[in-house]
Amino acid sequence: RKEVEQDPGPFNVPEGATVAFNCTYSNSASQSFFWYRQDCRKEPKLLMSVYSSGNEDGRFTAQLNRASQYISLLIRDSKLSDSATYLCVVNSDNAGNMLTFGGGTRLMVKP
Amino acid sequence: EPEVTQTPSHQVTQMGQEVILRCVPISNHLYFYWYRQILGQKVEFLVSFYNNEISEKSEIFDDQFSVERPDGSNFTLKIRSTKLEDSAMYFCASSHGRSYNEQFFGPGTRLTVL
Repeated sequence: RKEVEQDPGPFNVPEGATVAFNCTYSNSASQSFFWYRQDCRKEPKLLMSVYSSGNEDGRFTAQLNRASQYISLLIRDSKLSDSATYLCVVNSDNAGNMLTFGGGTRLMVKP
Repeated sequence: EPEVTQTPSHQVTQMGQEVILRCVPISNHLYFYWYRQILGQKVEFLVSFYNNEISEKSEIFDDQFSVERPDGSNFTLKIRSTKLEDSAMYFCASSHGRSYNEQFFGPGTRLTVL
């Protein structure tokens, strides 16, 4: 059973579009949640933490629904440089500080 | 901006050989981690390290693996007898605290076992 599940995509969108990614997690005891981005053959880079009240950072908005065990990421006004794989990441406190990664959703922004 | 560094960027080794991957975590961070990513697959946790001991490890982290903080700055992952299936990208990460603290990743070491 997958612990963190994401649609692998790819999502092909034009510049300026709004795109949303979703993620579900299986461990209801999970305590903290993150979105990372990963460019091809590079390290995961932290995009944003996801808080229960939802949070926004510029063009990026993250939401958490604990009841449904569901996390989302919304990207507004997509840029070519947003093309990457977006990783949904969960830290289950009862497992210590181990991050569990989803398989990632690939985004390609076209001119 | 402080960052995690890793050396070497690429390591090629023969099956059965020992390899040591090196990492320098961010200087004021207290928790250190190793993850790996086999080509085309997701990132997988290997081990976490705090206060000079392993705090958590996954099923992947068997007796062939060990970690060490030999001095105040380096954090190493040793694979005693490499297997073909150890070929992967190995990422080191560090965080200031645990759980709610974000983990920051190094650029990785690509390990190729022939």
